[in-house]
Amino acid sequence: SQQGEEDPQALSIQEGENATMNCSYKTSINNLQWYRQNSGRGLVHLILIRSNEREKHSGRLRVTLDTSKKSSSLLITASRAADTASYFCATDAGYGNKLVFGAGTILRVKS
Amino acid sequence: DTAVSQTPKYLVTQMGNDKSIKCEQNLGHDTMYWYKQDSKKFLKIMFSYNNKELIINETVPNRFSPKSPDKAHLNLHINSLELGDSAVYFCASSHGGTNTEAFFGQGTRLTVV
Repeated sequence: SQQGEEDPQALSIQEGENATMNCSYKTSINNLQWYRQNSGRGLVHLILIRSNEREKHSGRLRVTLDTSKKSSSLLITASRAADTASYFCATDAGYGNKLVFGAGTILRVKS
Repeated sequence: DTAVSQTPKYLVTQMGNDKSIKCEQNLGHDTMYWYKQDSKKFLKIMFSYNNKELIINETVPNRFSPKSPDKAHLNLHINSLELGDSAVYFCASSHGGTNTEAFFGQGTRLTVV
C-alpha cells in the first residue's frame, strides 16, 4: 500500500494566498521529500527534509516534519498561477533509495 | 541538455505485443529506477539498479524485464502487453547513498489497446 497519504486531495486557492498540503506515513524514514508534477510532465524535486530535521525552507516553500506523528506539511507562500500542479510527498526508508510516494495533492491557483 | 531522457514519449500498441522503453541519464548517477504511475496518479517503484546491478524488484510480473547495459542506461522491456499495463512509466536516477533526491524523466505514456 502507499506509505504516504496526502491531504487534501485537491486544493483551489486564489493567487497570493498560501497553500498547505499534509502528508502522513507509516514507518520509520531516513528522509521525506516533496515533488511537483506539472500536467503531462515528469516529477521535479522541491525539497528534502532529513529525519533529524524539523523544518526547512527553500524560497517560498516551507516544509515541516514531525516524526513522532509521522507527518509532514508543505507550505507554499504567496502562491502564483505557475504553482498549479500536483504535489507529492515521498519517503525514503533507506532500502536502496526506494521512494514511496503519497497519492498527491492537486493544487490549482486561480489568477 | 536533458538530464534524464526516455523514449518514446508516447507508445500505443496492441495487446500481446512486446515493446521497449529506453532511458538514459547524463548526470553521472550510479542508481537508476523505473516507476509506474497509474490512472489515479499513484506512483510506485518497479525496479532499481545500482551500477548495472538490480537492487530492487517490487514484485513486478516477469513480463517486465529491465536491462542496464551501463550505469547511464536503464531500459524496460515488456512482453505480452496487457490492457492493465497502460500507464505512464517514469525513469529516474540519483546519486545513491542516503538523503539524495531523484531526477525524473518526462515519462512514457503507454496505451495498450
